[in-house]
Amino acid sequence: GENVEQHPSTLSVQEGDSAVIKCTYSDSASNYFPWYKQELGKRPQLIIDIRSNVGEKKDQRIAVTLNKTAKHFSLHITETQPEDSAVYFCAALFAGTYKYIFGTGTRLKVLA
Amino acid sequence: NAGVTQTPKFQVLKTGQSMTLQCAQDMNHNSMYWYRQDPGMGLRLIYYSASEGTTDKGEVPNGYNVSRLNKREFSLRLESAAPSQTSVYFCASRVATGGEETQYFGPGTRLLVL
Repeated sequence: GENVEQHPSTLSVQEGDSAVIKCTYSDSASNYFPWYKQELGKRPQLIIDIRSNVGEKKDQRIAVTLNKTAKHFSLHITETQPEDSAVYFCAALFAGTYKYIFGTGTRLKVLA
Repeated sequence: NAGVTQTPKFQVLKTGQSMTLQCAQDMNHNSMYWYRQDPGMGLRLIYYSASEGTTDKGEVPNGYNVSRLNKREFSLRLESAAPSQTSVYFCASRVATGGEETQYFGPGTRLLVL
């Protein structure tokens, strides 16, 4: 069935270091992969996304890579700052549907 | 332009009571969604409406019903609330045309069922 696995569930890094979160999806026909950041008590906010015809996308300190063959995609945050501390969710839009399936989230802590 | 709005923000129910969660969007989006968020479980899709007049089940539809009242509004109803339905509920919307796939979320409704 449709599934998205996300690892790790928690991640602690020192300020200035890089953080990497990985997701694997089940449906090879999936064609859109967003990443959301959710701060405590707030709604999820889109931070970056990638489509299946692109291998990598960058936006300042944030990048996403997609490996269609292996069916996984990753979020990379460089030069982490305390305000990057939040829960991050990956998701996949399953082709031919309107359904988004989310990963279970990664709690990122950036230690000052 | 308020985006996606939800009411109420917080609700306490007793087991067996019913209630309706309201969601509205003013972005002229075609698709709307209801998710629940539980600790460690991420966001799970309850129901969605691809376009006005259609609704479909998501991953966890049992115990819920939905109504796509018009293009702007999509409501979620709990007919007989259970403690297992204690959660944070998020509504979202999406244009779903022209290659635009971004979802926009509402602020959420915190529901406690005693």
